[in-house]
Amino acid sequence: EDQVTQSPEALRLQEGESSSLNCSYTVSGLRGLFWYRQDPGKGPEFLFTLYSAGEEKEKERLKATLTKKESFLHITAPKPEDSATYLCAVRHEGGSNYKLTFGKGTLLTVNP
Amino acid sequence: DAGVIQSPRHEVTEMGQEVTLRCKPISGHNSLFWYRQTMMRGLELLIYFNNNVPIDDSGMPEDRFSAKMPNASFSTLKIQPSEPRDSAVYFCASSLGTEETQYFGPGTRLLVL
Repeated sequence: EDQVTQSPEALRLQEGESSSLNCSYTVSGLRGLFWYRQDPGKGPEFLFTLYSAGEEKEKERLKATLTKKESFLHITAPKPEDSATYLCAVRHEGGSNYKLTFGKGTLLTVNP
Repeated sequence: DAGVIQSPRHEVTEMGQEVTLRCKPISGHNSLFWYRQTMMRGLELLIYFNNNVPIDDSGMPEDRFSAKMPNASFSTLKIQPSEPRDSAVYFCASSLGTEETQYFGPGTRLLVL
């Protein structure tokens, strides 16, 4: 059973069309939820860390939010350069303090 | 500042050959991670080093895989002998501490024919 599930698997948006990506998790004792961006042929690039329900973080057109069961990555007025795969990962008490469990990602395509 | 450096970026080899992947972590980082990424399984942790010592190798698929970290600025992941099912992208990541943010290298794309 997957502990981290991301949806949708793929999302196509028009430039300027805001939307949200979802990351749901079933682990208990969350010790951090991480969002990464991955461009084709490159390694994941760190975006945000969230630790507790109600926490929000923003960076340019991206805002990440966290509840007790899921996180959302909101993309406001996206541009083509926002096209990438967005990965979320969790660290939890049931695992080791160093281990990240990743979802399979959402492939975002923003058309001009 | 230089990020995590990996080499080679691409490797094509034949089944049965030895493959060595290399990683230079960010200077000052004491935690190093090797991951494998495939379409089917996503990103999976293979092995974790702390202060050059292997702490958790439970993700290493089998004895054909081995990893070393002889000093704070260099690590290798070796596959011997390689098999077609080892084809994947292998990432190295490092962090300032055990629970700090992990920063990933550009990866090595391995194809075993």
